[in-house]
Parts: sequence; structure tokens; C-alpha cells
Amino acid sequence: EAQVTQNPRYLITVTGKKLTVTCSQNMNHEYMSWYRQDPGLGLRQIYYSMNVEVTDKGDVPEGYKVSRKEKRNFPLILESPSPNQTSLYFCASRGQGRETQYFGPGTRLLVL
Amino acid sequence: AQSVTQPDIHITVSEGASLELRCNYSYGATPYLFWYVQSPGQGLQLLLKYFSGDTLVQGIKGFEAEFKRSQSSFNLRKPSVHWSDAAEYFCAAAPYSGGGADGLTFGKGTHLIIQP
Repeated sequence: EAQVTQNPRYLITVTGKKLTVTCSQNMNHEYMSWYRQDPGLGLRQIYYSMNVEVTDKGDVPEGYKVSRKEKRNFPLILESPSPNQTSLYFCASRGQGRETQYFGPGTRLLVL
Repeated sequence: AQSVTQPDIHITVSEGASLELRCNYSYGATPYLFWYVQSPGQGLQLLLKYFSGDTLVQGIKGFEAEFKRSQSSFNLRKPSVHWSDAAEYFCAAAPYSGGGADGLTFGKGTHLIIQP
């Protein structure tokens, strides 16, 4: 089954404690991205990757890092989480061209 | 700057009534357009998309959307809503280009409430 998976689905942490949210897709997609969803703001892109070892900032990259060492994986790293990063995070992927983006199930993060 | 606007934050519709959710975009050229639905506690599901061609697009769950270039709009419609349609609906756009930063730009969403 074609899918985008994220782990963990729920996470509670404390300010300053580094965390990683994993994202994996099994569709051999080149393009992957991370979004955060906040009430009243919709979804905003954090980072994206056009292919292995190619990443770039989206609209709200501050406080986040990403890496793309393998085509299927695109982890989101919060080196020092802060309460304003409490949000619902979605990973997405798509193939080349104008294909549909497929979204993961989301990771709900609470930073205390 | 590129933007997607959903003017209605909340909409309440009676079950069985028709529905129209509004979406306007602001792009240099006609973008690719999408409607996604998010049920409570769930991820995003694609309802339909418009790339080119016929301006009336059919999607899943009985939804359709009409692209109107003159109005920069891509409104979502359904002739008769069901209680299970209660959800958050997002309009999104991606630039019509061959590469670069081509992530989706989302509207802020419309929360649909279905009255019995």
C-alpha cells in the first residue's frame, strides 16, 4: 500500500530536549516536505527536499532542521524545542512533475 | 506574494442541503489547485485537483469544484451534504512551474458544521 508514515504520532516533551520526528514514504518519490498546522493559520511549509541531499527552507523554517540521506526518509529535527513549536506536523511526498502530494497521518507535538 | 484565501472560517449547513465552500487564489499565473479534507483527529485526504482542461472537476465523496479564471476562484460544492461531511476543508495551490520551491500554499481552512 502506498503511504507516508510518521513516528511518533503523539509526543510530549520539555523545552530544550532534542527530538526527531521520522517520515518515510514507500512510493519512491523525489519530493518530500514538512508542514505544521496551527489553528487559524492552516498548514505552512517548514522545509522541503527535491531529492537526496537536496533540502531547502519553506515558509517557517526557524527552529527546525531536516536531512535527506535516503530517498525514502525525511526526518524533522528540533534541536531545542520551545513551546511555540507545539503544533500538528505533517510530512508529505510526491513524484516529479505536478503529481498529487500524499500526506502522512500527522504528529501531534506538545512542548512544555 | 502567492496566497490562498478561504473567506469563511466556519460554515453551518443542514443535512441534505447544498454546500459551497469558497476559495480564491493570488498567483502570477494560474496555479495547480487542490481541495483537501481533514476529519477530526485525522490526516489530510485529497478530494479533488485541477491541473488544466475542463474547469469543472469531479472528486471523491460526491464533491466537485469549478475553476473560474476570471474570478481567481476554485469553489468546492456538494449538492447534498451528509453528517459525515463535517470536517475541516482546505484549499491549496502550487505554482505552475517546472521546479523550485513548489510546495503547497494552503488557505486557513473552513470548518464545516452539519446541523441535523
